[in-house]
Amino acid sequence: TQLLEQSPQFLSIQEGENLTVYCNSSSVFSSLQWYRQEPGEGPVLLVTVVTGGEVKKLKRLTFQFGDARKDSSLHITAAQPGDTGLYLCAGATSGTYKYIFGTGTRLKVLA
Amino acid sequence: GAVVSQHPSWVICKSGTSVKIECRSLDFQATTMFWYRQFPKQSLMLMATSNEGSKATYEQGVEKDKFLINHASLTLSTLTVTSAHPEDSSFYICSARGLAGERSSDTQYFGPGTRLTVL
Repeated sequence: TQLLEQSPQFLSIQEGENLTVYCNSSSVFSSLQWYRQEPGEGPVLLVTVVTGGEVKKLKRLTFQFGDARKDSSLHITAAQPGDTGLYLCAGATSGTYKYIFGTGTRLKVLA
Repeated sequence: GAVVSQHPSWVICKSGTSVKIECRSLDFQATTMFWYRQFPKQSLMLMATSNEGSKATYEQGVEKDKFLINHASLTLSTLTVTSAHPEDSSFYICSARGLAGERSSDTQYFGPGTRLTVL
């Protein structure tokens, strides 16, 4: 059974600070996605990475896929209160579009 | 583009009744739809994969007779929670993937979720 562990589980920081969220697994993924979810809503896709070592940037968010395609990180620079939410990674193995979600990281950015 | 809707957005029912949740792809045809459930403050757990015109594939530990899935058309999948009990109370989310070769096939698009409360 695939297992995607995210760390930390919870993070409360002040506005303007930087943070990194990690997503680790013993499985190799052909594709890994990051989502942000607000309470009572469906998750919203932030990025998809497919190549080992790939780095993608989305404004203040930087996503990296590990060289072995088993892990990923999300780095947020100068966090803002609007970044508050549940961050989820999700991985799919080769040949499937079935994504298994990570354990989640709940981020709160204080003004 | 690539909008997925769910109906209802929330439902309250009595224990023992059945509840049907609809998942629709509004502007694309979805060959595959996925159903997830999410408990408060937890991540999404994949329940089943639904392919149009065929039987759903359930994840280990998910009772197929309890959670009936029908994917009768390329734009609609339904999840019926049969004989619901309070422990079935959860947030149910669907996602859809489009036809191979189309832009909507490159990822899954999520619906807004349905909150089920069983009294």
